Amino acid sequence: QKEVEQNSGPLSVPEGAIASLNCTYSDRGSQSFFWYRQYSGKSPELIMSIYSNGDKEDGRFTAQLNKASQYVSLLIRDSQPSDSATYLCAVNYLGGTASKLTFGTGTRLQVTL
Amino acid sequence: DTAVSQTPKYLVTQMGNDKSIKCEQNLGHDTMYWYKQDSKKFLKIMFSYNNKELIINETVPNRFSPKSPDKAHLNLHINSLELGDSAVYFCASSLQRYNEQFFGPGTRLTVL
Repeated sequence: QKEVEQNSGPLSVPEGAIASLNCTYSDRGSQSFFWYRQYSGKSPELIMSIYSNGDKEDGRFTAQLNKASQYVSLLIRDSQPSDSATYLCAVNYLGGTASKLTFGTGTRLQVTL
Repeated sequence: DTAVSQTPKYLVTQMGNDKSIKCEQNLGHDTMYWYKQDSKKFLKIMFSYNNKELIINETVPNRFSPKSPDKAHLNLHINSLELGDSAVYFCASSLQRYNEQFFGPGTRLTVL
């Protein structure tokens, strides 16, 4: 069974600090990786995608991928109270002719004042 | 607005009833999905259609039947609803070659 693992949290960081969210996955054949943010009662919102090893930066967000170690992380710099949400890691598996996303259970982030 | 839309937003019904949820996307995507998010917030894929063709069919009771009249629409019909069907159902869409999926607002189904 292909799995995506995340620490459920809550991860509590003070405003202005760096939040670091981690995710590991089980299938070495995974091809693409995504981070979604989900506010309570809302739908998942895509915030980052990463396809190759290394770092990818977009504003205050940096995604990091290490395929050899099978982990992907999300760094949020200058954390704001509005960043408080559940962050879902998703991994794309290709099975036959169809690719699909498998989601982790999410890490709840709390940014405190 | 370009988006993925779903109707209804809330659905409250009795056990044994049949209900449908509709989804539409105007993003020009070729692939659409249904996900179920349970009370523990775990998001799990149920079905996927690419250009009206079913390409993913996870282990879902056959009381659930998706239907895609065209590549912009994907509906979900549920027969003989059970208490365990209570969840939030999300529709999503993507371009198959990229698989960056965009989600609709969700339908909260409550079975009494």
